[in-house]
Amino acid sequence: AQSVSQHNHHVILSEAASLELGCNYSYGGTVNLFWYVQYPGQHLQLLLKYFSGDPLVKGIKGFEAEFIKSKFSFNLRKPSVQWSDTAEYFCAVNVMNTGFQKLVFGTGTRLLVSP
Amino acid sequence: DTAVSQTPKYLVTQMGNDKSIKCEQNLGHDTMYWYKQDSKKFLKIMFSYNNKELIINETVPNRFSPKSPDKAHLNLHINSLELGDSAVYFCASSQKGAVAQYFGPGTRLTVL
Repeated sequence: AQSVSQHNHHVILSEAASLELGCNYSYGGTVNLFWYVQYPGQHLQLLLKYFSGDPLVKGIKGFEAEFIKSKFSFNLRKPSVQWSDTAEYFCAVNVMNTGFQKLVFGTGTRLLVSP
Repeated sequence: DTAVSQTPKYLVTQMGNDKSIKCEQNLGHDTMYWYKQDSKKFLKIMFSYNNKELIINETVPNRFSPKSPDKAHLNLHINSLELGDSAVYFCASSQKGAVAQYFGPGTRLTVL
């Protein structure tokens, strides 16, 4: 079965620190990969996505992610975090099911950035 | 303009009751989804509809009955609510063939 693993459940950083959140997936077919962010009390927002092409994907708010096919990974990075980045981050893989897609999510990583 | 909207935002009810959550999207998408986010923030797909037809049903108890009156709406009706149904329910939409899904603000359901 398809699955997504996020190994860091809680991350605490100080402002200006660098961030890397791990994401590994298990799926044998062509993948589309996503990072979603959920700020406290808010809905999921798309941070960035990988469909094909350049494996280094740049998203909003200075985030980027690198797709490494050989490692089945799609780690999220940001060189310098801000207090406003405090949120829950979800990695997801798109799985095709009889021509229709569904998203399989990881368990999420809660990031707390202290000022 | 709200792209994907859900009502109500909060729902508190007693065990055994029946309740509905509504979802509407104005993006012109033809596929809609319901996801459940549990207390540990784990998100899991429940249903997906394309052009009013059910295409994904992830072994959800039959107390949950989605209804899609048209492709812009996907409502979720829950019978005989149980404590374990307490969660945040997210609606989402996409266009068939397109990969990105757009999420609604969520409905926090609390069953007492």
